[in-house]
Amino acid sequence: GAVVSQHPSWVICKSGTSVKIECRSLDFQATTMFWYRQFPKQSLMLMATSNEGSKATYEQGVEKDKFLINHASLTLSTLTVTSAHPEDSSFYICSARGPTGWYEQYFGPGTRLTVT
Amino acid sequence: GQNIDQPTEMTATEGAIVQINCTYQTSGFNGLFWYQQHAGEAPTFLSYNVLDGLEEKGRFSSFLSRSKGYSYLLLKELQMKDSASYLCAVMDSNYQLIWGAGTKLIIKP
Repeated sequence: GAVVSQHPSWVICKSGTSVKIECRSLDFQATTMFWYRQFPKQSLMLMATSNEGSKATYEQGVEKDKFLINHASLTLSTLTVTSAHPEDSSFYICSARGPTGWYEQYFGPGTRLTVT
Repeated sequence: GQNIDQPTEMTATEGAIVQINCTYQTSGFNGLFWYQQHAGEAPTFLSYNVLDGLEEKGRFSSFLSRSKGYSYLLLKELQMKDSASYLCAVMDSNYQLIWGAGTKLIIKP
């Protein structure tokens, strides 16, 4: 149980275009989902916390107009990278708060974004 | 500020035991987590400590001392598949996870 999926697993896009990444909790309802970014050989950086039915809470330094987050249902959150630039190339990972413990976070497999 | 420190890289031999340390300074404490992350993959949950002491789970054990701001992850009977990065994370008073940079563990035959 407690499986989180992400789609796509990797994407290449041209500079200036937008990319949408989906995060789904497959067998549980996730009222809270988290979006992280990870650059090579660095740790996870929390971008935003997404609560179902309300606006996402962004971490300091993360542009909310560039990284659009929508948590429309209890099983789906989306991250849209708008007007992508090469510096946005990174590994984007979502996680969902687990069904049995408030402290549990289950991670999706990640999305590798490359902007050319 | 908030800070999580762990060694950048460690090397150990297959079949041996290795201890990965983590020290932390955070605004409040609601538990410490260890995650395993293989290259190019998302982290997977290993352990959660909120009280002092040792938690054992198979080949992996995790220890916490809140007074010292210290934890370690102990891996026994190392296998080649244990080669990965091990991330220490602390949940602060706002229930936010503060992540360490990770320890890359290299297992040699």
